[in-house]
Amino acid sequence: SQTIHQWPATLVQPVGSPLSLECTVEGTSNPNLYWYRQAAGRGLQLLFYSVGIGQISSEVPQNLSASRPQDRQFILSSKKLLLSDSGFYLCAWSPGVETQYFGPGTRLLVL
Amino acid sequence: AQSVTQLGSHVSVSEGALVLLRCNYSSSVPPYLFWYVQYPNQGLQLLLKYTTGATLVKGINGFEAEFKKSETSFHLTKPSAHMSDAAEYFCAVSDASAGKSTFGDGTTLTVKP
Repeated sequence: SQTIHQWPATLVQPVGSPLSLECTVEGTSNPNLYWYRQAAGRGLQLLFYSVGIGQISSEVPQNLSASRPQDRQFILSSKKLLLSDSGFYLCAWSPGVETQYFGPGTRLLVL
Repeated sequence: AQSVTQLGSHVSVSEGALVLLRCNYSSSVPPYLFWYVQYPNQGLQLLLKYTTGATLVKGINGFEAEFKKSETSFHLTKPSAHMSDAAEYFCAVSDASAGKSTFGDGTTLTVKP
């Protein structure tokens, strides 16, 4: 069966510090991968998605970036965090355009 | 372009009462439609989905939804609410050309004893 992992589960970072969130999927190959952000009391905002290694589509211009160095690994990064980057970050995978399977999320607080 | 509108950001029902969460979508091609549930501090979990075929789809935990093309709707219902149904619910639409899903803003369901 397929599983999706995210780490860390929670993170507290100062403004201006770098960020690296990791997402890995097990039990499948060539998945579509997605990064979402969920601000407090708000819906999901799609940040990036990837249909293959090295293929990244950015949905919202911002100071975040994403990379897919391996088939089942998706990394969300920032060189300098802003206060507005605080939120709940969710990684998801799908075999195509159907159901997305979500990870447990990372709670990021930027102070 | 595709979009989703969830009517009502907060819905409150009494335990045992009917649950109705509304979702309207816009899509230029036949859509795939989904309902997901999110419990506090967790990821989203699929409740049910419509792709093709029968327009009334049944999901987990007693939920069901009906795809109505003429109304561009995919409302979620449950005949009798349970306290454990309290959560946030998201409607989503996807199509093959987009390669990704678009989510609504979510509806928070509160169940009163």
